[in-house]
Amino acid sequence: DAMVIQNPRYQVTQFGKPVTLSCSQTLNHNVMYWYQQKSSQAPKLLFHYYDKDFNNEADTPDNFQSRRPNTSFCFLDIRSPGLGDAAMYLCATSRDRGNRGYEQYFGPGTRLTVT
Amino acid sequence: GENVEQHPSTLSVQEGDSAVIKCTYSDSASNYFPWYKQELGKRPQLIIDIRSNVGEKKDQRIAVTLNKTAKHFSLHITETQPEDSAVYFCAASMGGNEKLTFGTGTRLTIIP
Repeated sequence: DAMVIQNPRYQVTQFGKPVTLSCSQTLNHNVMYWYQQKSSQAPKLLFHYYDKDFNNEADTPDNFQSRRPNTSFCFLDIRSPGLGDAAMYLCATSRDRGNRGYEQYFGPGTRLTVT
Repeated sequence: GENVEQHPSTLSVQEGDSAVIKCTYSDSASNYFPWYKQELGKRPQLIIDIRSNVGEKKDQRIAVTLNKTAKHFSLHITETQPEDSAVYFCAASMGGNEKLTFGTGTRLTIIP
């Protein structure tokens, strides 16, 4: 009963070759997030969508872009991957639970290797 | 913005003993504090959370305590088992904010 699905689970790309990672969800959550995580560090938020509104983090490089064509799907585009972009990319979703806050559900991640 | 500090960064505990991980936050407006467990190569999973109108919450062997005055919260795991070995992240969020600020993580190792 996968709730947040990420494809592919493993992605190898060449230096400078554009790559797209995908995320889909069956939870009907209105918020979707993209995180970058390197070697057991805390997940680093790249950007998130609140409904259709895109929210970029100030320190997210322009090399990273995102699309959310509908509620269920969200894509992460890396226009020109560098060696430093090798990481686990996590997608997460959440919804407003009122006074119970936003519980985030994470997908299994896509491990990106840049050669 | 919010800043969350987490200690210790690594923790080794004998199986059956208790483990405690502590976090402090900077913004008094924060009112939601989840804890995530991430096993090697897997996704972070929410294991327990607490809101600022509650001082303590328990779920079987896991408990979280919150001290709003001191702006710190802690994760307590009792009767630790090998499957508790993982990296644990605390986090905080403010009001109705959908974003979380994560701590730096604690690698917990349970020694059989």
